[in-house]
Amino acid sequence: EAQVTQNPRYLITVTGKKLTVTCSQNMNHEYMSWYRQDPGLGLRQIYYSMNVEVTDKGDVPEGYKVSRKEKRNFPLILESPSPNQTSLYFCASSFGLAGSSDTQYFGPGTRLTVL
Amino acid sequence: SQQGEEDPQALSIQEGENATMNCSYKTSINNLQWYRQNSGRGLVHLILIRSNEREKHSGRLRVTLDTSKKSSSLLITASRAADTASYFCATDASASGTYKYIFGTGTRLKVLA
Repeated sequence: EAQVTQNPRYLITVTGKKLTVTCSQNMNHEYMSWYRQDPGLGLRQIYYSMNVEVTDKGDVPEGYKVSRKEKRNFPLILESPSPNQTSLYFCASSFGLAGSSDTQYFGPGTRLTVL
Repeated sequence: SQQGEEDPQALSIQEGENATMNCSYKTSINNLQWYRQNSGRGLVHLILIRSNEREKHSGRLRVTLDTSKKSSSLLITASRAADTASYFCATDASASGTYKYIFGTGTRLKVLA
């Protein structure tokens, strides 16, 4: 089944404790992306990747890191989480880049709470 | 902020009525997409309209695009309780030379049975 998977789905952690949220897709998509969703603000893009080893900042990259060592995986790293990073996070992927006619497929989301 | 805006923020209608939601964006685009989200779950793509198109239909969905006003509307006809969800528009940021996506703030639709 074609899908985007994220792990963990729920995470409660404490300020400053490094964490990684994994994202994997099985559709051989070139483009992958991370978003955060906060009430009243919709989705905001954190980072995106056009291909292996090619990443770029979205609108809210501060406090996050990403890597794309393999085509299928795009982990999101919070080196020193803070309470303002408490949010619902989504990974997404698509064949083409933003602006192409390809649509994004979204993962189920990771609800992160930073105490 | 480049973020798009949608209105209304929330909409409540009776089953069988039509629902219209609007999206405004700020920069030139290649295309505009509409997504649906059920209660905190992942978004699902509904329909894409290219910048050179003015109207597009898919089942009970009708999307219009006015690039001169930088706005789009999504019409859901003959709504059903199962249409209850949040709806988001998304645009590319090609005009800025990047491959970002920019989402609107969303419209929460509630369809009453």
